[in-house]
Parts: sequence; structure tokens; C-alpha cells
Amino acid sequence: QVQLEESGPGLVKPSETLSLTCTVSGDSINTYYWSWIRQSPRKGLEWIAYVNNSGTTKYNPSLKSRVTISVDTSKNHFSLKLSSVTAADTAVYYCARGFNWNPDVFDIWGQGTMVTVSS
Amino acid sequence: SYVLTQPPSVSVAPGETAIITCGGNNIGAKSVHWYQQKPGQAPMLVIYYDTDRPSGIPERFSASNFGNTATLTISRVEAGDEADYYCQVWDSSSDQPVFGGGTELTVL
Repeated sequence: QVQLEESGPGLVKPSETLSLTCTVSGDSINTYYWSWIRQSPRKGLEWIAYVNNSGTTKYNPSLKSRVTISVDTSKNHFSLKLSSVTAADTAVYYCARGFNWNPDVFDIWGQGTMVTVSS
Repeated sequence: SYVLTQPPSVSVAPGETAIITCGGNNIGAKSVHWYQQKPGQAPMLVIYYDTDRPSGIPERFSASNFGNTATLTISRVEAGDEADYYCQVWDSSSDQPVFGGGTELTVL
């Protein structure tokens, strides 16, 4: 079955760039939309961005200036970069698949990775 | 952006029916999706496009969406249904998905 797995540093210093990768197994990344979503006690679930296999992207307007999402079809993974992080970016970060080739609902999620922003 | 309002908590006895609401301005005009999240786990889709269930989700889970309120109904509640439940829509004005604040379901 399809599985998603997030990877990346669990600790990032303030003002630096958070970088995460989501590896997709059991399916090709060459279909569907792929999203990053984060969850914190302060803001709950917050969608960050999506990308599809052709490189089409969309970003949360409140984060757009700091976020880059990209896809690497050769490695069957997609990535997130969030720059100039602060403590407010501390959260569990999930990657997720858009259901039925649509970006608006998420049917498969990774297990999540906790990222703490602290010096 | 579009705001989805959920009650923080709902409690129900085993075997009874749990009703979880999600309020939003004319939410009936949008497609609503529902997720279940158990402690330490990722959210799991339980209802999509207002009323549809993904494969493997019991028929005890049903939903509706009309006017300013979407509703998730869990019939014959079991201890294993204890979780946080989130509603979600696509907000066309800000062109992004939006989640409700979540409802903690407690099975007494």
C-alpha cells in the first residue's frame, strides 16, 4: 500500500531554513497532488503547500514568502523548505497525498515529524 | 480566511450516537471532509465530499452538510472511536484548504 515518510532535522535554529523530505513508496509520485501540513497546539492543523508531478505549486498565502515546495520524480519524493524560522514554526510536519488526483482532500498521510525551532 | 468552528469536546456513552458539528458561513455550498486523529498518530480521512466514506471506514460513520453547519455522526460509538475529529474545506477566497479547530470525542 501507499506509504509516506517524512525525514529531516528535528531541531532547527531560529532564522535558519527548515528542510524536510517526504518519500513516497508503493505508488508513483508522477500522479496526484502532494502537500505539506503542519500541526501545533497554537494553530492546529495548517496547510502549507502542494506540488504535483509537473511542478505546479500552490502556497498558503501567510507562509508564501518563506516556503518552497519541490518534487523529484527520479527519487519519488517531494520536499519542503521554510526559511527564516522562528519558534512559531515549531510543529509536527506531515506530508499528505491529495485524494483522487485532487489537491483539496488528503487521503494518505505520513506519520509526521516533530520539528523544534530553538537555539 | 474562512473560519470553521467546532465544539472543543463531545462526550458520549458506548453504544450511543456522537454528533460533531462544524460551523461555517454557508458551508453547505462547500465540500466538507472529516478526519479522525488518535493520540500520536496522523489524521485519517473518514468522510470526504460531505458524505462519502473511504474504504475501510465503518458505516457507523456518516455525515451531512447543509446551510451553515456540517455534521459528523458516529452511531453505536465504541471505545476505539475516542479521538480528535477535524473538519476541512477548500476556501476559494484564499485558495487553500482550511481546517476546523478539532473536537475531542470522549467515550465515557
